[in-house]
Amino acid sequence: QKEVEQNSGPLSVPEGAIASLNCTYSDRGSQSFFWYRQYSGKSPELIMFIYSNGDKEDGRFTAQLNKASQYVSLLIRDSQPSDSATYLCAVETSSNTGKLIFGQGTTLQVKP
Amino acid sequence: TAGITQAPTSQILAAGRSMTLRCTQDMRHNAMYWYRQDLGLGLRLIHYSNTAGTTGKGEVPDGYSVSRANTDDFPLTLASAVPSQTSVYFCASSAEGNQPQHFGDGTRLSIL
Repeated sequence: QKEVEQNSGPLSVPEGAIASLNCTYSDRGSQSFFWYRQYSGKSPELIMFIYSNGDKEDGRFTAQLNKASQYVSLLIRDSQPSDSATYLCAVETSSNTGKLIFGQGTTLQVKP
Repeated sequence: TAGITQAPTSQILAAGRSMTLRCTQDMRHNAMYWYRQDLGLGLRLIHYSNTAGTTGKGEVPDGYSVSRANTDDFPLTLASAVPSQTSVYFCASSAEGNQPQHFGDGTRLSIL
């Protein structure tokens, strides 16, 4: 059974701090990794995607991938109350068909 | 901007009845997907289609069927609904199978 694991949280950080969200996966052949943000009652919204080892930055968001350790993370700099949401890690199965396995998500609370 | 349109937004259905959830995208994406999201279980893939005319089974396909007659539409049918199919259903699409997926607003379905 291919799995994607996330700490459910809640992760609470003060406004302006860095939030670090982590995800591990079991399928060593996975090649594509995605982070989605989901506000309560809304649909998932793509935040970042990463395919290669290392860091990928987009504005306040940085995705980090370490395939050897089967670990992907999302850093949010200068966290804002509007970042309060559930963050979903998704990993494509090694079949390369676009089939994603989602983690259960980490709830982030940014306190003013 | 349209993107992905799902209908209906919500529905209450008697057990044993059939129901088709509609999904249409205007981005000319080749790949489309159906997920269900349940509290404590996260997002799970039901069926997918990498191109018009082809479909595949996801993690939880039992009790559901799909068709992909053209690029834009990917309906999901429950032939005989059961209470365990009460969930929020999301349709998603991506340009190709391993590209980022974008989600519709979802359909909240209750089976009584």
